[in-house]
Amino acid sequence: DTGVSQNPRHKITKRGQNVTFRCDPISEHNRLYWYRQTLGQGPEFLTYFQNEAQLEKSRLLSDRFSAERPKGSFSTLEIQRTEQGDSAMYLCASSLNPNTGELFFGEGSRLTVL
Amino acid sequence: ILNVEQSPQSLHVQEGDSTNFTCSFPSSNFYALHWYRWETAKSPEALFVMTLNGDEKKKGRISATLNTKEGYSYLYIKGSQPEDSATYLCAKYSGAGSYQLTFGKGTKLSVIP
Repeated sequence: DTGVSQNPRHKITKRGQNVTFRCDPISEHNRLYWYRQTLGQGPEFLTYFQNEAQLEKSRLLSDRFSAERPKGSFSTLEIQRTEQGDSAMYLCASSLNPNTGELFFGEGSRLTVL
Repeated sequence: ILNVEQSPQSLHVQEGDSTNFTCSFPSSNFYALHWYRWETAKSPEALFVMTLNGDEKKKGRISATLNTKEGYSYLYIKGSQPEDSATYLCAKYSGAGSYQLTFGKGTKLSVIP
């Protein structure tokens, strides 16, 4: 399968714990995005990488959140000291065409913070 | 319009009915308008990417139109089938300067057999 893959697909954690999600984009795609979707909302932009450079960050991305894309391949999203409000679906997407911005999404990582 | 807005929020139709959804978006800084279909437990999948005012695109029973001057797009489904049940998301792409897509909240379609 050469699509975008994310893991884990589901994560249940206790408040205060740290969690990390991984995204493997389509190999030739140089752009990688993280979005968050909560109940009743559309996907909300978190951050964007072009190769290994993090070029945009949403103000939604508090200092408890950090994302990396070492070597411009896979990416990780870490949430420290999780809060119940962090419960959401975390979507990763990759893109190749800057003219249209078409995104290819993974199936998401669902986080539940108890 | 300040944000991407979609209507209705949800919709139930009988199999065989035709239906349509609306996406409204700020017409400034426009580069492209995307429609995605998101089925439960799957990844969102692009249906259409439209860039030009007056664009009309079609894929099987699904089609979309775009009006960039007034900031709206319509998605049409002809002869709805149960497998069309999904959440349909639209997103505005502003291109250079901000490569993020801004999504609406989606329209959840349920097709009743």
